[in-house]
Amino acid sequence: KQEVTQIPAALSVPEGENLVLNCSFTDSAIYNLQWFRQDPGKGLTSLLLIQSSQREQTSGRLNASLDKSSGRSTLYIAASQPGDSATYLCAVRRVGAGSYQLTFGKGTKLSVIP
Amino acid sequence: SAVISQKPSRDICQRGTSLTIQCQVDSQVTMMFWYRQQPGQSLTLIATANQGSEATYESGFVIDKFPISRPNLTFSTLTVSNMSPEDSSIYLCSVLGGTGNTIYFGEGSWLTVV
Repeated sequence: KQEVTQIPAALSVPEGENLVLNCSFTDSAIYNLQWFRQDPGKGLTSLLLIQSSQREQTSGRLNASLDKSSGRSTLYIAASQPGDSATYLCAVRRVGAGSYQLTFGKGTKLSVIP
Repeated sequence: SAVISQKPSRDICQRGTSLTIQCQVDSQVTMMFWYRQQPGQSLTLIATANQGSEATYESGFVIDKFPISRPNLTFSTLTVSNMSPEDSSIYLCSVLGGTGNTIYFGEGSWLTVV
């Protein structure tokens, strides 16, 4: 059974800092990995998707990497801003025909202090 | 990307009653999913809803408790039946994007059962 762990559970940084969020998964047989952002009491916003054959994806100040063999992914946020404050969730989709279920971590709650 | 609207966004429900959550997508999609996020927990898949067929439920979820309808390619409903305080959660509708890779989420429906 796939398990996804995100460390740290919470992180507080001053505005302008670069930071890294970590995600690990136990079963390397994944189809892809997605990073989401969740604001309090809200749904999820897809940030980046990395296919299993890819090593990284970038969007603006965000960069996500994937090391499938070691079961790890990181989300790098450059020059953090107060608006980046949210919970960041990592989710993996397993390999298999007709398999669309995402297995989520519990998230990292990020606070960026002005 | 897909724009997903959910109703209601929030509700307070009495124990023993049922509530139906609606999910509307701005484009036709084959795959729709319903997730639950209990307080402080990660998201868990309830069921997959495909148009024209019965929903497929994950282990621990049954049709009598969470009946789902999928009348067309842009709409689905999830009913939470005979609610108890343990059903207090955010319920999220999600869809598989047009490329077949990215999964998008709605804003969620936050239910509190008293």
